[in-house]
Amino acid sequence: GDSVTQMEGPVTLSEEAFLTINCTYTATGYPSLFWYVQYPGEGLQLLLKATKADDKGSNKGFEATYRKETTSFHLEKGSVQVSDSAVYFCALSNFGNEKLTFGTGTRLTIIP
Amino acid sequence: GAVVSQHPSRVICKSGTSVKIECRSLDFQATTMFWYRQFPKQSLMLMATSNEGSKATYEQGVEKDKFLINHASLTLSTLTVTSAHPEDSSFYICSAPDQLAKNIQYFGAGTRLSVL
Repeated sequence: GDSVTQMEGPVTLSEEAFLTINCTYTATGYPSLFWYVQYPGEGLQLLLKATKADDKGSNKGFEATYRKETTSFHLEKGSVQVSDSAVYFCALSNFGNEKLTFGTGTRLTIIP
Repeated sequence: GAVVSQHPSRVICKSGTSVKIECRSLDFQATTMFWYRQFPKQSLMLMATSNEGSKATYEQGVEKDKFLINHASLTLSTLTVTSAHPEDSSFYICSAPDQLAKNIQYFGAGTRLSVL
């Protein structure tokens, strides 16, 4: 079946540091890939997505590129802020349906 | 954007009692909603798909008599954990898909269930 493997946390960085959270997937067909973020006390919300190979999703300074050759969708940000502290989930959906398969989540803490 | 409201956010109950969790889509209709369960340091695991006006579809290994799902209206799904036991303690999360882009989900804030 489909699966998502993401970098285990927690990750602690200083403000303005460069961020990478790794995510790889296993899936048949051509899945859509997502990063969701969960801020403290809130529900998960979509951060960015990519629906086909070589697509780059971006939002709020975060980027991720759909790499079919390496089955990866790594999340990056050039300069993190304290407000980026949250839990980040990599996920996929396949065959155009609504079900999501999630990674374990990575807790990110940014210190001033 | 669309909002999904989940209630309660936290519940503590005695073993053997039943607990109901509500999931509401605000300002949009959801013929389908999803219920997830998350254990510490693990990913969200899909438990079931709630279908308005019909029976829920449960994932393999999920006890349908244990986790009763009712989707009585286009904006409300409920999950009832029946005869809860300590092993049911977990974080339960619901979601509803975007009306147009079905693979985009809007999530509730989750319910932390602790069974004593």
